[in-house]
Amino acid sequence: AQKVTQTQTSISVMEKTTVTMDCVYETQDSSYFLFWYKQTASGEIVFLIRQDSYKKENATVGHYSLNFQKPKSSIGLIITATQIEDSAVYFCAMREGSSNTDKVVFGTGTRLQVSP
Amino acid sequence: DPKIIQKPKYLVAVTGSEKILICEQYLGHNAMYWYRQSAKKPLEFMFSYSYQKLMDNQTASSRFQPQSSKKNHLDLQITALKPDDSATYFCASSQDWNSDYTFGSGTRLLVI
Repeated sequence: AQKVTQTQTSISVMEKTTVTMDCVYETQDSSYFLFWYKQTASGEIVFLIRQDSYKKENATVGHYSLNFQKPKSSIGLIITATQIEDSAVYFCAMREGSSNTDKVVFGTGTRLQVSP
Repeated sequence: DPKIIQKPKYLVAVTGSEKILICEQYLGHNAMYWYRQSAKKPLEFMFSYSYQKLMDNQTASSRFQPQSSKKNHLDLQITALKPDDSATYFCASSQDWNSDYTFGSGTRLLVI
């Protein structure tokens, strides 16, 4: 069964620094899709970035990038030049490519607090 | 303009009653989903629909029933409500089965 684990419950950083959030996943599939989402204080959930398992190059979108380490089943999210508005809960998620289930499984989330 | 509309935003219900949570998406997406988020558990998959067809059901209880009257519409009917059903219910959609999700703003349900 697929599983996503985020061990960091919360992280506090100073503004303009770089932060890395960890995520490890479990799957029996050779093909899968990894996602990061952000949930703001208002409860809104927003897609940030994705990594397809067959792609070797780490995905980058704006000041978000991924550290995809396939042998370790790890997909870390890196946020550079953090801003106050990056304060939120960040969820890692995975969908198996060939599974007979349609679901995307989410981790428990990491709360990021960015201070001025 | 919100691209996925969920109604109502807040809902208080009495134990044993029945409620319907509304979800409409205006993104032209082919797949829609329901997730539940509570303090006890992370975002938990409930249902997925593709082209108005039920693709996956991971809820343990038949008290939860999705209803799709149109391709861009996926409601969630919950019967015989229990206090444990208290949670925020999120509707989401995606272009196809392996695309990223767009989430609605959620319906916060409190069962007393």
